[in-house]
Amino acid sequence: NAGVTQTPKFRVLKTGQSMTLLCAQDMNHEYMYWYRQDPGMGLRLIHYSVGEGTTAKGEVPDGYNVSRLKKQNFLLGLESAAPSQTSVYFCASSTGQGARGNSPLHFGNGTRLTVT
Amino acid sequence: GESVGLHLPTLSVQEGDNSIINCAYSNSASDYFIWYKQESGKGPQFIIDIRSNMDKRQGQRVTVLLNKTVKHLSLQIAATQPGDSAVYFCAENRPGGYQKVTFGIGTKLQVIP
Repeated sequence: NAGVTQTPKFRVLKTGQSMTLLCAQDMNHEYMYWYRQDPGMGLRLIHYSVGEGTTAKGEVPDGYNVSRLKKQNFLLGLESAAPSQTSVYFCASSTGQGARGNSPLHFGNGTRLTVT
Repeated sequence: GESVGLHLPTLSVQEGDNSIINCAYSNSASDYFIWYKQESGKGPQFIIDIRSNMDKRQGQRVTVLLNKTVKHLSLQIAATQPGDSAVYFCAENRPGGYQKVTFGIGTKLQVIP
């Protein structure tokens, strides 16, 4: 049981380049999330999904897109990277009973992205 | 990771002592609270949670206290060990769903051997 797995672990992009961050979970969780973590700030929600085929915007969605084609995978895309997107990105998942958010999040180990 | 350690409040404790980490939450409507531990280079890890109809919950070596009157949450770690060194942060869930989660910036716990 690997939990939540993120790839890649590190990436350096030039301004304007695109990339996709991959997240996979093997816990059969319904809900999946993408967060970014920046110094001096709490985790901020980018996008989330309540089930296969669904996505929704979080607190800071601009510049990102997501897809949830399979229940176990949640992809985060940057179409045209900007230096402001330099951050550590975390994927998380939670159980279906988290409809009111009353279940803890299970996080991956993050992707450290630098945009130059 | 180390980048989120910048500008964080830091608590230094001797190995074997008890640690108390505090968190003030913002919304009186929040009804579910979670403490996470984040080690350098890793993702946050669930430690313990508490619902608003409780004021105390105990786990293995950890206790969470909730004071709704002053919107304050604390995490107590008994007999602190070097492996407890990490950033700890609380999260509050407001009614309305999964996206209504607010995370604190965290406190860095340093255990002195």
